[in-house]
Amino acid sequence: KNQVEQSPQSLIILEGKNCTLQCNYTVSPFSNLRWYKQDTGRGPVSLTIMTFSENTKSNGRYTATLDADTKQSSLHITASQLSDSASYICVVSDSGGFKTIFGAGTRLFVKA
Amino acid sequence: NAGVTQTPKFQVLKTGQSMTLQCAQDMNHNSMYWYRQDPGMGLRLIYYSASEGTTDKGEVPNGYNVSRLNKREFSLRLESAAPSQTSVYFCASSEGWAWEYFGAGTRLSVL
Repeated sequence: KNQVEQSPQSLIILEGKNCTLQCNYTVSPFSNLRWYKQDTGRGPVSLTIMTFSENTKSNGRYTATLDADTKQSSLHITASQLSDSASYICVVSDSGGFKTIFGAGTRLFVKA
Repeated sequence: NAGVTQTPKFQVLKTGQSMTLQCAQDMNHNSMYWYRQDPGMGLRLIYYSASEGTTDKGEVPNGYNVSRLNKREFSLRLESAAPSQTSVYFCASSEGWAWEYFGAGTRLSVL
């Protein structure tokens, strides 16, 4: 069964600190993996997208990594800001892109 | 550039009532999607439309119908609402398999 598991479920960090969120998936055959940020009461917004041939992608203070062999991805947030408080969702699509599985998300709280 | 616009933002229905959720995008995307988001779960695909004139079932299509009115608009209809359809509904659009752009969501409660 195709699955996307994210950890931790929630995380609290102090402003200015770094953090790393994890995503493990079993979707096969793999096409691409995306990370989204979802603010409370808003729709998800794309942060990065990676295909199987890419192992890192950055978007400002957000850096995503992908290990297609172990089927793991991580999202690293550098020098966190209060505005980083949100849910971060890992999304994996199979070949063709129309079988897409969303993870349940990691809820990040950044405290002053 | 508004992106993806959903209406209404909030709705309360009684069991058995019907309603249509509207979605429009101004990015000239071919693909459009309807998802539902429930607490503690990932977004689940209800229906999608790969191009104007085509629609296909997603993971959880039961109780819903869709219409791809034109390239810009993709509506979701609940013919007879049930409490299990209480959720937050998101419309999204994309060009091919590229990342999706989401609307702000419609929060629906069925009593």
